[in-house]
Parts: sequence; structure tokens; C-alpha cells
Amino acid sequence: QSALTQPASVSGSPGQSLTISCTGTTDYNYVSWYQQHPGKAPKLIIYDVINRPSGISNRFSGSQSGNTASLTISGLQTEDEADYYCSSYASSSSLVVFGGGTKLTVL
Amino acid sequence: QVQLQESGPGLVKSSETLSLTCGVSGYSISSGYYWGWIRQPPGKGLEWIGNIYKSGSTSYNPSLKSRVTISLDTSKNQFSLRLSSVTAADTAVYYCARQATKYSSHFDYWGQGTLVTVSS
Repeated sequence: QSALTQPASVSGSPGQSLTISCTGTTDYNYVSWYQQHPGKAPKLIIYDVINRPSGISNRFSGSQSGNTASLTISGLQTEDEADYYCSSYASSSSLVVFGGGTKLTVL
Repeated sequence: QVQLQESGPGLVKSSETLSLTCGVSGYSISSGYYWGWIRQPPGKGLEWIGNIYKSGSTSYNPSLKSRVTISLDTSKNQFSLRLSSVTAADTAVYYCARQATKYSSHFDYWGQGTLVTVSS
């Protein structure tokens, strides 16, 4: 069982905004978020809680409050339908941990 | 453009050793960064296996540490994974990736992944 907890699934309609949570981050450093389409490698979309790599749409944003990190996707598009994973480095156990993943469905 | 490509057998027998190589182009692994392996069992989530630095220093997931070896070959600009005593639970897509720093989960470049099936 992952030490980072994500909802198993979320859904939204095109144009809407939605947020995916990642709970349990208090003991971890600098959350990252990944988007994974079926059959593809994960793609980094947020690192160090709030930063977007070059080429990532500004519709994706990250934040953190207390022990929960969040990924917000604004102006939802059909191509956003994918699995999303949070991750962080657990300094107490010296390893990288991933959340269990959230399946985003665009209705 | 940094590119990574995994290679190795797609089928390994139970109790034997899984061996994969990640070839890197567009960046010299001897220049810096950490180079890691992550796996994903079919239909499941991601699991970090470990990483290696240009110096040869390694870090491993404690749950796999007794069975894992990651090494690098700077002359070929590649790094490798060996996982011993495999079982069906090791069946997964294995990804290699570039990790920004030792104490981060920031993987900015990934290989396409390779499915390794452990057979009995």
C-alpha cells in the first residue's frame, strides 16, 4: 500500500476545472506529478510542488497545504483523460514513493 | 533532446535473473544527474527500484535491495539493472528515467518502457 494516498478516480466535463489530491506528504520532499496515457510512459507535468517543465500547459498547476498536495487541471480537455500519479522522496526511508494513481475521465 | 531506450529479454524464468540495459542519447551520463529504474506491474501503479550516479553510487528501494544491482557503463553511455531470484510478482513494465537529484522524485526523461514477463 502506497504511503501517498490518491483518489482512485475523478471525472469532469470539458471546460471544467478539477483537483486531484495526494495525501500524506508531510514527511516527504518536493512533490511531483505525472500524467500517463494508456500504453505510454509517465510524463512529468509538475515538479517541486508548483513548477511546470518546459512545454507543459499552464492549465496544469500544483499546490500543497499541510500534508496534502494537489494537482489542478483547468479548462479540462478530452486529451487530459489519463492516469495521474503523485510522487515524492521519503527522507525517513530513503526512497522515492508514488501514490496509487488517479484515473481521470473526461465525460 | 535526451532520449532513453530500454533493452533486454522480454521473458525471464522464475528464480533466474532479470537483466535490462538503458541506452542514453543526447546527454552524457558522466556529466551528472541520477539515472533510475521504475517498474509498473500490469494494471497497477509505479514502483521506484533505484538509481545510480555518475560516480557509481547507488540507492535502492529497501523492499528490493537484496535482489537489485544497478550499474553504469560510461563508455557506452548506458546503465543497467539486474534483479535476481525473480518471481511472477516481478512481471512488469520496466522504465528507465533521468532523476534530477538524489533526494527528489523529479524524473524528467523516460524511456518507452519494456515489458518483462516472469514465467514458471
